[in-house]
Amino acid sequence: AQSVTQLDSHVSVSEGTPVLLRCNYSSSYSPSLFWYVQHPNKGLQLLLKYTSAATLVKGINGFEAEFKKSETSFHLTKPSAHMSDAAEYFCVVSDMGRGSTLGRLYFGRGTQLTVWP
Amino acid sequence: NAGVTQTPKFRILKIGQSMTLQCTQDMNHNYMYWYRQDPGMGLKLIYYSVGAGITDKGEVPNGYNVSRSTTEDFPLRLELAAPSQTSVYFCASRGGQNTGELFFGEGSRLTVL
Repeated sequence: AQSVTQLDSHVSVSEGTPVLLRCNYSSSYSPSLFWYVQHPNKGLQLLLKYTSAATLVKGINGFEAEFKKSETSFHLTKPSAHMSDAAEYFCVVSDMGRGSTLGRLYFGRGTQLTVWP
Repeated sequence: NAGVTQTPKFRILKIGQSMTLQCTQDMNHNYMYWYRQDPGMGLKLIYYSVGAGITDKGEVPNGYNVSRSTTEDFPLRLELAAPSQTSVYFCASRGGQNTGELFFGEGSRLTVL
């Protein structure tokens, strides 16, 4: 079965400092992994995705994530936080990898990122 | 360039009332989904559809019904509203390519009192 665990429910950083949002996954086969971002009162937007190509994935707004199979991790990072990065971030695993065409997504519980000026 | 449109954005219901959350997409996507989001719980799949006329249950279907008479529309119906259905509801869709990326509406906040 697929699942993700986001290790921090809240992360606070100062503007201009690095961001690290942690995610561990569980999957019985090669997973597809995603990070989505949700700004207040908005729907979710795809930040980046890993689908068994390069292990270092670059996304929008300067975010990137590294797939580490040995650690079953897919942490999200950004070198320098901006005020506009304040949002909730979801790590997501998909069951696409086992040949399913369904595309069901399994969401982590979310990490709320606060950016202080 | 509308994408996925949900209505209403906000609604307050009394216990036992019924209502329908509307969802429409203009991207000709076959796959559509309804999720609910509760604080600290992520998103849980209620129902999904792989094309017009085909629907199936997700993780938390109890208390809800759906229909998919057209490719564009995927309404979610609550027959007898209960306080446990107080939540934010998101409709999403995707195309046929197996990327896993979903396109989300902006959500419908429902309160049952």
